[in-house]
Amino acid sequence: NAGVTQTPKFQVLKTGQSMTLQCAQDMNHNSMYWYRQDPGMGLRLIYYSASEGTTDKGEVPNGYNVSRLNKREFSLRLESAAPSQTSVYFCASNWQAEQYFGPGTRLTVT
Amino acid sequence: AQSVSQHNHHVILSEAASLELGCNYSYGGTVNLFWYVQYPGQHLQLLLKYFSGDPLVKGIKGFEAEFIKSKFSFNLRKPSVQWSDTAEYFCAVIPSGGYNKLIFGAGTRLAVHP
Repeated sequence: NAGVTQTPKFQVLKTGQSMTLQCAQDMNHNSMYWYRQDPGMGLRLIYYSASEGTTDKGEVPNGYNVSRLNKREFSLRLESAAPSQTSVYFCASNWQAEQYFGPGTRLTVT
Repeated sequence: AQSVSQHNHHVILSEAASLELGCNYSYGGTVNLFWYVQYPGQHLQLLLKYFSGDPLVKGIKGFEAEFIKSKFSFNLRKPSVQWSDTAEYFCAVIPSGGYNKLIFGAGTRLAVHP
C-alpha cells in the first residue's frame, strides 16, 4: 500500500500561471481532503469530497477548484496562481474519522 | 466560529524534561479529538485520538493526552522527551456532524536539546 501519494513534490509558478496538484489514495477511502499549511496557521481546509462525485468548499476555497475524478483521485487546480497561494499543500483521505496524509506539495508563486 | 487554540507556539526543552502542550477548542457539542505530529520534512502522522470512553488516551512513542470536557481541553503530555521528539505538534478537532472535517490549531514547534 502506497497510502496517499501527491505529485509534484515541489513547484514554482509565476503569478497568473495555472497548475493542477494530483492526489491519489489506494486505501479505498470514500472521503478526501485538500489542506494548505502556512506558518503559524496550522492546516486549513480548502475543499473536501465526502464521496466520489461530490465536492464541497472548506474554510479557504477562493482561487482553487477541485475534481474528484474517481474514488482514488482528487485533484486541486489553481487557475491563476497568486503569491498568496505560496504554501505547502496536503491531501488526505479519511477512514472512520481518522485522516491519512500525503507527503505534501511545496508550491512557490513568484 | 469554531476554533482550536494551542497556547504554546514554540517550546524548547532539554532531553528528559517533561512535556505538556495545551489545546483548547471552542465547540460545545460532541467532538472527536486528535494530536498529529510533523517531523522535519515529513507529512503529518497521527499521535493519538479520542472518540469516547476513558478520557486519558495513550498514543505512540510514549505520548498521552487527557480530555477534560468541562475545560474543553485536550492537553498532550510526555513524561520524558527525547531529541527525536523535535517536531511540530498539531491539535485538531472534528465536531459531530462535521463530515470528518478537521479543524486544526496553529501548531506548537518543539525543540529538544541533547
